[in-house]
Amino acid sequence: GNSVTQMEGPVTLSEEAFLTINCTYTATGYPSLFWYVQYPGEGLQLLLKATKADDKGSNKGFEATYRKETTSFHLEKGSVQVSDSAVYFCALSTGDSNYQLIWGAGTKLIIKP
Amino acid sequence: GAGVSQSPSNKVTEKGKDVELRCDPISGHTALYWYRQSLGQGLEFLIYFQGNSAPDKSGLPSDRFSAERTGGSVSTLTIQRTQQEDSAVYLCASSFMTSGYNEQFFGPGTRLTVL
Repeated sequence: GNSVTQMEGPVTLSEEAFLTINCTYTATGYPSLFWYVQYPGEGLQLLLKATKADDKGSNKGFEATYRKETTSFHLEKGSVQVSDSAVYFCALSTGDSNYQLIWGAGTKLIIKP
Repeated sequence: GAGVSQSPSNKVTEKGKDVELRCDPISGHTALYWYRQSLGQGLEFLIYFQGNSAPDKSGLPSDRFSAERTGGSVSTLTIQRTQQEDSAVYLCASSFMTSGYNEQFFGPGTRLTVL
C-alpha cells in the first residue's frame, strides 16, 4: 500500500544552519508529493508541492525535489531561522483518490538562536 | 471567516460519553475532510464530503464514529460511547473540488481527551 516515512525528530539546529528533513515514500502509480508545516498553535498549511518526477517545489527558502529513482522528497533549507521552528509533515496523494493525503508521522524542528 | 474554524478547541470527556466536534469550512469550499492525529503519529484520514454527501467513509475507525454535513457548509463529527483510544487531535480541512489535486486548508483542530 501507499506510505510515507520521514525522519524522526526532534531535529535541533542552530540559527543559520543547513536543514535536511528526509522523506521517502511507497506508492503505486505516480503520486503528487507535499510538505506541510504546523507552526505552534496554528493549523497545518501547505509549504510546497511537486506533482511529477524531477519537479522542485519551493517556498519561503525551503526546497524539495521529487526523486522517482530514490522515491524521495527531502526538504532542505540553506539557512534556518528561529521562526522556522515547527512540525513538518511529508505527504502524498495518488491519482486514484486525489483528495486523500497519506501522511508521514511529522518531524519537529527546533531552531536555537 | 477567513479560514477553517473548529470547536471546541479542547474537549475532555469521560469514557462512554458521546461527543460532537464541529467544523466550519472556508466559504465556497465544496469539499471537507476529517483527519485524526494521535500523539507521535501522522494524520489518519477519517472521512471526506463532497457537498453534503460522503463518497468515502472508509477511514472511520468503527461504527461509533459518524459525520454529517448540512447545507454544504458546517460539518459535525460525532463519536458515541467514547473510549480512551479515541483521545487525539481531530483536524478538519476544506478545499475546492476541481480535477486534480486541490490544496486542503486546515483548521486548528479539536484536542479530545477521554478519561
